Parts: sequence; C-alpha cells; structure tokens
Amino acid sequence: ETGVTQSPTHLIKTRGQQVTLRCSSQSGHNTVSWYQQALGQGPQFIFQYYREEENGRGNFPPRFSGLQFPNYSSELNVNALELDDSALYLCASSLLADSYNEQFFGPGTRLTVL
Amino acid sequence: RKEVEQDPGPFNVPEGATVAFNCTYSNSASQSFFWYRQDCRKEPKLLMSVYSSGNEDGRFTAQLNRASQYISLLIRDSKLSDSATYLCVVNQAGTALIFGKGTTLSVSS
Repeated sequence: ETGVTQSPTHLIKTRGQQVTLRCSSQSGHNTVSWYQQALGQGPQFIFQYYREEENGRGNFPPRFSGLQFPNYSSELNVNALELDDSALYLCASSLLADSYNEQFFGPGTRLTVL
Repeated sequence: RKEVEQDPGPFNVPEGATVAFNCTYSNSASQSFFWYRQDCRKEPKLLMSVYSSGNEDGRFTAQLNRASQYISLLIRDSKLSDSATYLCVVNQAGTALIFGKGTTLSVSS
C-alpha cells in the first residue's frame, strides 16, 4: 500500500451542491496532486499543492478549489456540482524535491452527481 | 493531437504470451516517463519508471526513445494476474502527470 488515504470512499450528491474530498499524503511527502478520472479515461490533472501553496493547475474551472494543511494533507472542494463531475477523484502524494516526480495514488473517492 | 496516445486495445492473449504496448507523446520537453497499472475500479499503481537506457523488472521491460517521442512496455510470459489497464504517463514540469487513456490487457488460461 502507498500510505495515501482518501475520504470518503463513495459520495452521492445532486446537481448544484458542493462537495469536499480529503486526502492524507504518504509520510515524508510534501506535495499532493489531485486528478479526475472519468469512466474509460485516464486521470486528468486538476491541481497540485506544495507546502500549502498551489503549484500548478490543469484545465479545470475555478469552482474546483483546494487547500493543503501544515501536515501536508489536502482537500479538494467542488462547488455548483454538474452531472459531468461524476468521476473517480484521485489524490497522489510525492516529494517535490524528487525531480523524477514519482507520484503515489490513494484509493480514490467515487463521486456520483445526480 | 492528444498529449499522450495509446492503443486502447483490448489486448486478449493466452497465458505465457508476450505482449507489447506502445505509447507516443507530443511534448518534447517531457522530463520523466512511467507505466502505471490500474485494476478495475482501483487506483493507478506505479509499475515502473522508464529511462532512456531502457530498464527491466522481471518479466517487464520498458523502453524510451526521446527522438521519436515513443515509449514501450513489453510483458513476457503473461500471467492471469497481469490482466489490467496499463497507463502510459509523462511528466513535463515536475507537477502534472499526463496520462494516456490506457491499454486494456486480458490474459486468459
């Protein structure tokens, strides 16, 4: 196991609601990245946090936001949920000082928007 | 053109077969390269990093050709437990991993 944990495991929301997903990184890792994986697709990068600051962002609208805490755990918040937000949300932890940037994934949160 | 392209398959092979997956990437500035394995409804797991000199881990061999922007994965002596989706992954600037759609492998007895 990678030591990366995510909660909740599954979540069902309705369109327009807001959701918060949580991630605890592997011990010793200071960087958390979030990805969205729609059915039949590869994961798509949402954003990355390094030492509590956003360190890169993919092509996602501002209603996707995040936080990283001093213990390097992280949250992903999605406002005004849309049906297309239904996906597996993955967080990955890494040590940014490692330029090869191997990232280790948590088990994911499966979000269903009705 | 997609940043990382893979043949989606599925590849259906018998146990013991050798199977090869190919992947191309579009950004020549890409810095690091990986193969991840993803089982159904699970998270991706790092299978191996890919180096320019090529690298091998047991039955798995990965190759990188930077000039052609091409990455490959060879699996020898396939096992039933190799059945999964194999994701080709490229890292450009130390932040985002860029994933292909994945290639599905089914190994049968």
